[in-house]
Amino acid sequence: DAKTTQPPSMDCAEGRAANLPCNHSTISGNEYVYWYRQIHSQGPQYIIHGLKNNETNEMASLIITEDRKSSTLILPHATLRDTAVYYCIVRPSAPDLNDYKLSFGAGTTVTVRA
Amino acid sequence: GAVVSQHPSWVICKSGTSVKIECRSLDFQATTMFWYRQFPKQSLMLMATSNEGSKATYEQGVEKDKFLINHASLTLSTLTVTSAHPEDSSFYICSARDQAISEPQHFGDGTRLSIL
Repeated sequence: DAKTTQPPSMDCAEGRAANLPCNHSTISGNEYVYWYRQIHSQGPQYIIHGLKNNETNEMASLIITEDRKSSTLILPHATLRDTAVYYCIVRPSAPDLNDYKLSFGAGTTVTVRA
Repeated sequence: GAVVSQHPSWVICKSGTSVKIECRSLDFQATTMFWYRQFPKQSLMLMATSNEGSKATYEQGVEKDKFLINHASLTLSTLTVTSAHPEDSSFYICSARDQAISEPQHFGDGTRLSIL
Protein backbone atom coordinates (compact mmCIF):
# COMPACT_ATOMS: atom_id res chain seq x y z
CA ASP A 1 0.00 0.00 0.00
CA ALA A 2 1.10 3.56 -0.63
CA LYS A 3 2.62 5.38 2.33
CA THR A 4 1.28 8.64 3.66
CA THR A 5 3.08 11.55 5.29
CA GLN A 6 1.37 13.91 7.69
CA PRO A 7 2.67 16.66 9.96
CA PRO A 8 2.95 15.35 13.52
CA SER A 9 0.89 18.12 15.05
CA MET A 10 -1.01 21.33 14.38
CA ASP A 11 -3.01 23.87 16.33
CA CYS A 12 -6.25 25.38 15.12
CA ALA A 13 -8.40 28.21 16.41
CA GLU A 14 -11.94 27.40 17.42
CA GLY A 15 -14.43 28.52 14.80
CA ARG A 16 -11.85 28.67 12.05
CA ALA A 17 -11.36 26.18 9.24
CA ALA A 18 -8.73 23.53 9.90
CA ASN A 19 -6.76 22.33 6.87
CA LEU A 20 -4.95 19.03 7.39
CA PRO A 21 -2.45 18.05 4.70
CA CYS A 22 -1.44 14.56 3.63
CA ASN A 23 1.16 13.49 1.10
CA HIS A 24 0.76 10.19 -0.74
CA SER A 25 3.11 10.56 -3.67
CA THR A 26 3.25 6.81 -4.45
CA ILE A 27 -0.51 6.33 -4.61
CA SER A 28 -1.76 3.95 -7.31
CA GLY A 29 -4.68 4.48 -9.62
CA ASN A 30 -6.99 2.13 -7.71
CA GLU A 31 -6.19 3.41 -4.22
CA TYR A 32 -8.60 5.46 -2.18
CA VAL A 33 -7.67 8.14 0.34
CA TYR A 34 -9.38 7.67 3.71
CA TRP A 35 -9.48 9.93 6.73
CA TYR A 36 -10.23 8.74 10.23
CA ARG A 37 -9.80 10.49 13.55
CA GLN A 38 -9.28 9.16 17.05
CA ILE A 39 -10.38 11.11 20.06
CA HIS A 40 -8.48 10.20 23.21
CA SER A 41 -9.33 6.73 24.56
CA GLN A 42 -11.88 6.00 21.85
CA GLY A 43 -11.87 3.95 18.67
CA PRO A 44 -11.18 5.65 15.35
CA GLN A 45 -14.08 7.47 13.72
CA TYR A 46 -14.57 7.45 9.95
CA ILE A 47 -14.61 10.95 8.45
CA ILE A 48 -14.50 10.79 4.67
CA HIS A 49 -12.87 9.07 1.73
CA GLY A 50 -12.30 9.74 -1.97
CA LEU A 51 -10.65 8.47 -5.13
CA LYS A 52 -10.22 11.35 -7.55
CA ASN A 53 -12.94 13.90 -7.03
CA ASN A 54 -13.30 16.24 -4.11
CA GLU A 55 -15.78 15.00 -1.55
CA THR A 56 -17.88 16.70 1.10
CA ASN A 57 -20.08 15.38 3.86
CA GLU A 58 -21.54 16.70 7.09
CA MET A 59 -18.21 16.40 8.87
CA ALA A 60 -15.59 17.59 6.43
CA SER A 61 -14.39 18.18 2.89
CA LEU A 62 -11.66 16.25 1.13
CA ILE A 63 -9.64 17.99 -1.55
CA ILE A 64 -7.48 15.69 -3.71
CA THR A 65 -4.94 17.24 -6.07
CA GLU A 66 -5.25 16.48 -9.76
CA ASP A 67 -2.15 14.26 -9.71
CA ARG A 68 -3.54 12.55 -6.56
CA LYS A 69 -0.19 12.83 -4.82
CA SER A 70 -1.59 14.82 -1.94
CA SER A 71 -4.84 15.70 -0.28
CA THR A 72 -6.25 18.08 2.32
CA LEU A 73 -8.92 17.41 4.87
CA ILE A 74 -10.88 20.52 5.73
CA LEU A 75 -12.89 20.89 8.92
CA PRO A 76 -14.94 23.96 8.04
CA HIS A 77 -15.56 25.29 11.56
CA ALA A 78 -13.31 23.61 14.10
CA THR A 79 -14.69 23.09 17.60
CA LEU A 80 -12.98 21.98 20.78
CA ARG A 81 -14.51 18.54 20.23
CA ASP A 82 -12.52 18.19 17.01
CA THR A 83 -9.31 17.84 19.04
CA ALA A 84 -8.04 14.39 18.05
CA VAL A 85 -5.41 12.47 16.10
CA TYR A 86 -6.28 12.52 12.41
CA TYR A 87 -5.14 9.66 10.21
CA CYS A 88 -4.78 9.79 6.43
CA ILE A 89 -4.78 6.26 4.99
CA VAL A 90 -4.41 4.99 1.44
CA ARG A 91 -5.69 1.57 0.47
CA PRO A 92 -6.75 -0.30 -2.66
CA SER A 93 -10.33 -0.55 -3.82
CA ALA A 94 -10.02 -4.14 -5.06
CA PRO A 95 -12.54 -6.51 -3.48
CA ASP A 96 -9.95 -8.78 -1.90
CA LEU A 97 -10.41 -9.37 1.80
CA ASN A 98 -6.82 -8.40 2.49
CA ASP A 99 -7.32 -5.15 0.66
CA TYR A 100 -9.77 -3.99 3.26
CA LYS A 101 -7.04 -3.79 5.87
CA LEU A 102 -6.22 -0.31 7.09
CA SER A 103 -2.64 0.60 7.95
CA PHE A 104 -2.44 3.45 10.43
CA GLY A 105 0.55 5.77 10.48
CA ALA A 106 1.36 8.25 13.23
CA GLY A 107 -1.29 10.75 12.10
CA THR A 108 -1.56 14.42 12.94
CA THR A 109 -2.41 15.47 16.47
CA VAL A 110 -4.80 18.38 16.06
CA THR A 111 -5.44 20.64 19.00
CA VAL A 112 -8.29 23.12 18.69
CA ARG A 113 -7.82 26.08 21.00
CA ALA A 114 -10.48 28.47 22.25
CA GLY B 1 -24.96 4.92 10.76
CA ALA B 2 -23.19 1.63 11.28
CA VAL B 3 -22.39 0.84 14.90
CA VAL B 4 -19.75 -1.50 16.23
CA SER B 5 -19.93 -2.40 19.90
CA GLN B 6 -17.11 -3.79 22.03
CA HIS B 7 -17.42 -5.40 25.41
CA PRO B 8 -16.04 -4.97 27.98
CA SER B 9 -14.80 -1.40 27.67
CA TRP B 10 -12.12 -2.06 30.24
CA VAL B 11 -10.90 -5.02 32.25
CA ILE B 12 -8.31 -5.58 34.95
CA CYS B 13 -7.20 -9.10 35.75
CA LYS B 14 -4.40 -11.10 37.26
CA SER B 15 -1.47 -12.42 35.29
CA GLY B 16 -2.09 -15.88 33.89
CA THR B 17 -5.82 -15.53 33.34
CA SER B 18 -7.55 -15.50 29.95
CA VAL B 19 -9.65 -12.57 28.85
CA LYS B 20 -12.34 -12.58 26.17
CA ILE B 21 -13.28 -9.41 24.27
CA GLU B 22 -16.41 -9.26 22.14
CA CYS B 23 -16.95 -7.21 19.01
CA ARG B 24 -20.47 -6.90 17.61
CA SER B 25 -21.85 -5.20 14.54
CA LEU B 26 -25.19 -3.91 15.79
CA ASP B 27 -27.05 -2.96 12.64
CA PHE B 28 -25.24 -4.71 9.83
CA GLN B 29 -23.66 -8.02 8.92
CA ALA B 30 -19.90 -8.35 8.68
CA THR B 31 -18.13 -11.29 7.09
CA THR B 32 -14.85 -9.63 7.98
CA MET B 33 -13.79 -7.95 11.19
CA PHE B 34 -10.36 -6.67 12.17
CA TRP B 35 -8.56 -6.61 15.49
CA TYR B 36 -6.05 -3.90 16.36
CA ARG B 37 -3.84 -3.21 19.34
CA GLN B 38 -2.67 0.21 20.43
CA PHE B 39 0.00 0.94 23.02
CA PRO B 40 0.16 4.34 24.77
CA LYS B 41 1.21 7.20 22.48
CA GLN B 42 1.45 4.84 19.51
CA SER B 43 -0.70 4.24 16.48
CA LEU B 44 -3.04 1.31 15.88
CA MET B 45 -1.37 -1.91 14.83
CA LEU B 46 -3.38 -4.56 12.98
CA MET B 47 -3.23 -7.92 14.73
CA ALA B 48 -5.50 -10.11 12.65
CA THR B 49 -8.35 -10.35 10.20
CA SER B 50 -11.34 -12.27 11.49
CA ASN B 51 -13.29 -14.17 8.84
CA GLU B 52 -16.79 -15.48 9.51
CA GLY B 53 -16.89 -19.24 9.42
CA SER B 54 -13.17 -19.71 8.83
CA LYS B 55 -9.80 -19.24 10.48
CA ALA B 56 -8.46 -15.81 11.25
CA THR B 57 -5.51 -14.41 9.34
CA TYR B 58 -2.80 -13.14 11.65
CA GLU B 59 -0.27 -10.43 10.91
CA GLN B 60 3.40 -11.25 11.10
CA GLY B 61 4.65 -11.45 14.66
CA VAL B 62 1.25 -11.99 16.26
CA GLU B 63 0.97 -15.32 18.09
CA LYS B 64 -2.21 -17.07 17.02
CA ASP B 65 -2.15 -19.37 20.06
CA LYS B 66 -1.90 -16.36 22.31
CA PHE B 67 -4.65 -14.33 20.67
CA LEU B 68 -7.52 -16.66 19.80
CA ILE B 69 -10.09 -15.27 17.40
CA ASN B 70 -13.51 -16.72 16.76
CA HIS B 71 -15.99 -15.30 14.25
CA ALA B 72 -18.93 -17.63 14.62
CA SER B 73 -21.64 -15.37 13.24
CA LEU B 74 -22.03 -12.45 10.89
CA THR B 75 -22.39 -10.04 13.80
CA LEU B 76 -19.92 -11.31 16.40
CA SER B 77 -16.17 -11.79 16.62
CA THR B 78 -14.32 -12.55 19.83
CA LEU B 79 -10.68 -12.11 20.77
CA THR B 80 -9.38 -14.16 23.67
CA VAL B 81 -6.05 -13.21 25.19
CA THR B 82 -4.85 -16.47 26.69
CA SER B 83 -2.64 -16.64 29.77
CA ALA B 84 -2.36 -12.88 29.80
CA HIS B 85 0.75 -11.21 31.19
CA PRO B 86 1.53 -7.55 31.96
CA GLU B 87 3.09 -7.03 28.53
CA ASP B 88 -0.31 -7.84 26.99
CA SER B 89 -1.78 -4.77 28.66
CA SER B 90 -2.98 -2.55 25.84
CA PHE B 91 -5.95 -0.94 24.13
CA TYR B 92 -7.64 -3.49 21.85
CA ILE B 93 -9.91 -2.20 19.10
CA CYS B 94 -12.03 -4.02 16.56
CA SER B 95 -13.48 -2.82 13.29
CA ALA B 96 -16.05 -4.22 10.90
CA ARG B 97 -17.24 -3.58 7.40
CA ASP B 98 -20.84 -3.86 6.25
CA GLN B 99 -20.75 -6.64 3.68
CA ALA B 100 -23.74 -5.14 1.88
CA ILE B 101 -21.93 -1.96 0.93
CA SER B 102 -18.38 -1.35 -0.11
CA GLU B 103 -17.29 1.23 2.43
CA PRO B 104 -16.22 2.16 5.01
CA GLN B 105 -14.94 0.29 8.06
CA HIS B 106 -16.38 1.25 11.42
CA PHE B 107 -14.59 0.87 14.72
CA GLY B 108 -15.63 -0.10 18.18
CA ASP B 109 -14.72 2.08 21.15
CA GLY B 110 -11.98 -0.26 22.26
CA THR B 111 -11.23 -2.37 25.30
CA ARG B 112 -8.56 -1.27 27.73
CA LEU B 113 -6.88 -4.35 29.15
CA SER B 114 -4.70 -4.12 32.23
CA ILE B 115 -2.89 -7.21 33.49
CA LEU B 116 -1.54 -7.03 37.02
